[in-house]
Amino acid sequence: DGGITQSPKYLFRKEGQNVTLSCEQNLNHDAMYWYRQDPGQGLRLIYYSQIVNDFQKGDIAEGYSVSREKKESFPLTVTSAQKNPTAFYLCASSRTGGYTFGSGTRLTVV
Amino acid sequence: GENVEQHPSTLSVQEGDSAVIKCTYSDSASNYFPWYKQELGKGPQLIIDIRSNVGEKKDQRIAVTLNKTAKHFSLHITETQPEDSAVYFCAATRSNDYKLSFGAGTTVTVRA
Repeated sequence: DGGITQSPKYLFRKEGQNVTLSCEQNLNHDAMYWYRQDPGQGLRLIYYSQIVNDFQKGDIAEGYSVSREKKESFPLTVTSAQKNPTAFYLCASSRTGGYTFGSGTRLTVV
Repeated sequence: GENVEQHPSTLSVQEGDSAVIKCTYSDSASNYFPWYKQELGKGPQLIIDIRSNVGEKKDQRIAVTLNKTAKHFSLHITETQPEDSAVYFCAATRSNDYKLSFGAGTTVTVRA
């Protein structure tokens, strides 16, 4: 079945560490996105990519980095520069219009 | 860019009653309007969408209406059930644009 897979489901990070969240899709979608969701809040766009080897900053890109070396993959690295990384991270993909979302990664700083 | 406003932020309804969520958008060129349902701890799922060439679309207990002149669209859930309790997001985009603009979300609680 086609879909979008995020891993891991839960991730714990120590202060000062970089961590990478995985996002893989087999839907043959051109565009991929990363969103951050804080408790009781909406979706805030971190980065997006409309084509391989190209990506753009969203509204809250500071402290995050991405790569898009393959159409199927769009990993997100949360760097030590992100001062408040504890949140629920959602990856999505689309061709045009509607998104397909992954099931999310919950990141906690310990 | 596009700005989507969503109201109300929270909505509590008695089981069996109807729920209505309203969104407005700013970009008159937007022509695709999806709605997503997010259950606790999960990713949002597309539940219904509408394009600007139609005014209403229905799928069982869910319907969406669009008023292009006023630039607003609404989600209607009839005969609400406990499993309808979730956060609902509206969104808007142009057909030649990949990126959706989301509303802030509405937390719907269906009381048994």
